[in-house]
This record gives sequence, structure tokens and C-alpha cells, in this order.
Amino acid sequence: AQKVTQAQTEISVVEKEDVTLDCVYETRDTTYYLFWYKQPPSGELVFLIRRNSFDEQNEISGRYSWNFQKSTSSFNFTITASQVVDSAVYFCALSGSGPGNQFYFGTGTSLTVIP
Amino acid sequence: GAVVSQHPSWVICKSGTSVKIECRSLDFQATTMFWYRQFPKQSLMLMATSNEGSKATYEQGVEKDKFLINHASLTLSTLTVTSAHPEDSSFYICSARVDRITDTQYFGPGTRLTVL
Repeated sequence: AQKVTQAQTEISVVEKEDVTLDCVYETRDTTYYLFWYKQPPSGELVFLIRRNSFDEQNEISGRYSWNFQKSTSSFNFTITASQVVDSAVYFCALSGSGPGNQFYFGTGTSLTVIP
Repeated sequence: GAVVSQHPSWVICKSGTSVKIECRSLDFQATTMFWYRQFPKQSLMLMATSNEGSKATYEQGVEKDKFLINHASLTLSTLTVTSAHPEDSSFYICSARVDRITDTQYFGPGTRLTVL
């Protein structure tokens, strides 16, 4: 079964603090993709990153970084020096290699950055 | 980057009427588009997968006669909510897949439907 778990429902941090959003996934596929999307209050989902199952290198993009560990089936997302504009709901998603390549979304983590 | 638009962004309608939502990929051709529904403070729920030129594949529990999906071209998919009722009020989001290799889905801005 395909499943994505984001155990943190809501997180609040003070501006400039670092914050890590957790994502744990389950899949039987050997080839799969993991994603992070940001949904600000406006509602539109913004693509942040895609990682395939064969690439375990961590990635850094500005203040954002991602830690992919197959051994623990986790794909965590860290925001360094958080800003108020980072306030949003963040979704982790898994895509398998099945015919429909359906996305399986986690329940999302609502991040509030307090000025 | 890939841009997906939705129209309208919000709509209010009377119970019993039908509402059509358009999803367009603006700068790429999308062989596959997806329709999601999102309730307040909840995750996205996949409703159906729409492939150009063929019938949509609906997820279990989604009434295909109520939520009509048409994918007439590589850049346009439409979702029609027929005989809408207040319980259909929700945030509807479409996405388009650029290609099967990268598998990345790009999302539209969503349509907020309110049925009175």
C-alpha cells in the first residue's frame, strides 16, 4: 500500500528559527518519486521539489533543504531562518510507478511563522 | 515553469444547477490531468484522472455521473458538477502532469465552489 504520513499537524516558530517538517512514506515500489508542495493561504499548490527513489543525495535550495533517507523511509524538509512568508501548509506526496502514477498526499503540516 | 490555470477561481450557485470548471495547461501539453477536492484544513483527495481523448478514471466513491470530466484537448480538461448540492461545496483543484518520466504534477490555483 502507498501511504504518506505527516505526523505534525501544526507547527509554530518564531521568525528566523529553523524548522523541520517530517514526512514518512510507505511503498512497495522500487521506483517511486517524492514531492513537497507548498500551499499558501491563496490556495494554489506550489511545487518545491521532486526526488526519485534512486537519488538519496540531500538537496539545498536557498533556505530550503531536504533530507531523503530510504533506510527510514523519510523525506524531511527543513527551512532555515524562517520568514513570515513561509507560513503555509506543506504537503509531502508520493508517486508510484503504477499505470496511473497516482499521487498520494500526506495530510499536510500547517506552518505559522510568528514575526 | 509549467503553468496551469483554472477558471473560475470562485463560483456561487444555487442548489440544483450545474457548474463547469476549466483547467488549462498554458505553456505545455498535458496528456494527463487530475482533479482533486479539498475540504477545509484537509489534504487533497483525488477524484479522477483525466487522459486526453479517453474516458476519465474515477476514484472509488466518486460519482462519475455527478462529476463529469472531459479532456478534449492536450491543454484543456473540464469538470462539471451536475445538479450541485450544498455538500458539493468545496475547493476543487486540477493538476497537469508534464510527462510520465518526471511525473511532476503542476497545480492550478483552485476553484472555490459554494452551493447555496
